[in-house]
Amino acid sequence: DAGITQSPRHKVTETGTPVTLRCHQTENHRYMYWYRQDPGHGLRLIHYSYGVKDTDKGEVSDGYSVSRSKTEDFLLTLESATSSQTSVYFCATKLGSSGDTGELFFGEGSRLTVL
Amino acid sequence: QQQVKQSPQSLIVQKGGISIINCAYENTAFDYFPWYQQFPGKGPALLIAIRPDVSEKKEGRFTISFNKSAKQFSLHIMDSQPGDSATYFCAASNSGNTGKLIFGQGTTLQVKP
Repeated sequence: DAGITQSPRHKVTETGTPVTLRCHQTENHRYMYWYRQDPGHGLRLIHYSYGVKDTDKGEVSDGYSVSRSKTEDFLLTLESATSSQTSVYFCATKLGSSGDTGELFFGEGSRLTVL
Repeated sequence: QQQVKQSPQSLIVQKGGISIINCAYENTAFDYFPWYQQFPGKGPALLIAIRPDVSEKKEGRFTISFNKSAKQFSLHIMDSQPGDSATYFCAASNSGNTGKLIFGQGTTLQVKP
């Protein structure tokens, strides 16, 4: 268990509303990632962070923003949710220092439904 | 260049049989190839991984075969068990590129008793 907590675990919202998903880690890992999982697409990277206040885009970043003000927290925000953003969102972390094997550790996911 | 293609999409195997899942990649800069296992309602978890300096890696009943020239790698599950029923994802990354993983589309494995 890599000590990753995602909240909320389930959320139903309406089109056009803002949504923030939170990822909290207790392992002091340097790297944090947000992926979305959709049938037939596997896991696709939305945004990632390589340190406090250091973030970059992934392959499906349109409509999403992120922030990392502390090592342990990585927030994913949908400024105006759309039905195409209905998905399961996973946070992951990676050590990023001596001893890093390349392994990503995943949270248990946040299921978002946009009506 | 960034794609990882995985097949088959779904697989049904009898208990005791061999499960084989295949992946192909395009980016020759990839140097880390893990397989993740995911049970319903859970996040993916690392199962086994390989780097391109070896052609095969075995951990218990799980083996990765790697063909660098063909840009392909596969997961073999020997003596498949009902508890192996899960979704399997292959992935690839360039370890010098912040370690972000590019995942395949996933394979849902069902092992029948």
